[in-house]
Amino acid sequence: SQQGEEDPQALSIQEGENATMNCSYKTSINNLQWYRQNSGRGLVHLILIRSNEREKHSGRLRVTLDTSKKSSSLLITASRAADTASYFCALASGGSYIPTFGRGTSLIVHP
Amino acid sequence: ETGVTQTPRHLVMGMTNKKSLKCEQHLGHNAMYWYKQSAKKPLELMFVYSLEERVENNSVPSRFSPECPNSSHLFLHLHTLQPEDSALYLCASSQDGLTWGAFFGQGTRLTVV
Repeated sequence: SQQGEEDPQALSIQEGENATMNCSYKTSINNLQWYRQNSGRGLVHLILIRSNEREKHSGRLRVTLDTSKKSSSLLITASRAADTASYFCALASGGSYIPTFGRGTSLIVHP
Repeated sequence: ETGVTQTPRHLVMGMTNKKSLKCEQHLGHNAMYWYKQSAKKPLELMFVYSLEERVENNSVPSRFSPECPNSSHLFLHLHTLQPEDSALYLCASSQDGLTWGAFFGQGTRLTVV
């Protein structure tokens, strides 16, 4: 199994701005998932994008997947202070459905 | 709430104690997981159960012992732990992982003294 690598490790923005974080990986995947974790709590599943999909939306979230570059991005538009959290990408690859996680991006949105 | 409940939320135990972490889901999922989250490390997959059979054991020390008595419940039995085992232990469940993501509990914050 492989882990994704999130970039940047930390991101600090003002409320109302957009936040973009990226996830890169090395070998082909079945799907890629994005999760959010508020401090010391469980992870919340945000979006799952399959390897044959290029873009998905959910509210203010937009996820893209470029399999030729082996990378995905998560865009949060019009960020809010409540979006402050760590964001993780998780990969399911090979014949496995089991998600393996990267180190995450820590996002701080200042009011 | 995600539908996955973990108890206790916090646990302090001595190195000679025996304790158990409990996870419960009533989402009808057929897979359950234990992850360990330590500071400044990626989430580490510990165990996976699919249809109550253990399908993954990621070289976890034997002082951690999982149990899945049915598809709704998952336990992690702990004995003779070390201080470096202090971490947030997260349980998750999923159904047909190629289609849907995993649902996580709130975690158990474990401190070994």
